[in-house]
Amino acid sequence: AQSVAQPEDQVNVAEGNPLTVKCTYSVSGNPYLFWYVQYPNRGLQFLLKYITGDNLVKGSYGFEAEFNKSQTSFHLKKPSALVSDSALYFCAVRVYGNNRLAFGKGNQVVVIP
Amino acid sequence: EAGVTQFPSHSVIEKGQTVTLRCDPISGHDNLYWYRRVMGKEIKFLLHFVKESKQDESGMPNNRFLAERTGGTYSTLKVQPAELEDSGVYFCASSQKVGQTMNTEAFFGQGTRLTVV
Repeated sequence: AQSVAQPEDQVNVAEGNPLTVKCTYSVSGNPYLFWYVQYPNRGLQFLLKYITGDNLVKGSYGFEAEFNKSQTSFHLKKPSALVSDSALYFCAVRVYGNNRLAFGKGNQVVVIP
Repeated sequence: EAGVTQFPSHSVIEKGQTVTLRCDPISGHDNLYWYRRVMGKEIKFLLHFVKESKQDESGMPNNRFLAERTGGTYSTLKVQPAELEDSGVYFCASSQKVGQTMNTEAFFGQGTRLTVV
């Protein structure tokens, strides 16, 4: 079975500071990893994905994520957080041969002006 | 290009009533998925259509839930009769054709918030 853990319920960060949202996964097989963001009253928006290749993946709105196979992690990062980054962030994993996504429970990010 | 649209955005029904949720995927997307998020928990997979066929319905909670995708276009998810534990946000997602499924991100709608009272 595939699963995702997002250990922190809420991440608070001051505007301009680096933002990190943690994600670890458990799969049998090679993972395909995704980050989605949900702004208030909006649907889930795709941010970035890791399929293969470079461990550092760049995505929308200045976000990036690093795939670490030995630590089974895929942490989301942004060098300088904006107030508009305040939202709910979901990490998800898919394995080859299984089209469904397994999501973590989400992290609420609050960027403080 | 229009995104994934879901209707209604909110629904409040009484226990025992029937509710039908609708999802219009992105045009040309063969894959259509239903997911559900119960308050504060993970987003959980319900089922997957490839065109009009159910590819995987292992996430459906019980036989009170019925999903259809007639003609391989829009999909409906009916809950009959609704129970209190069915409350949550129901998301629909779509992605491109089968041959590219594994690499391709799914595009999500804004969800239908269902409240059963």
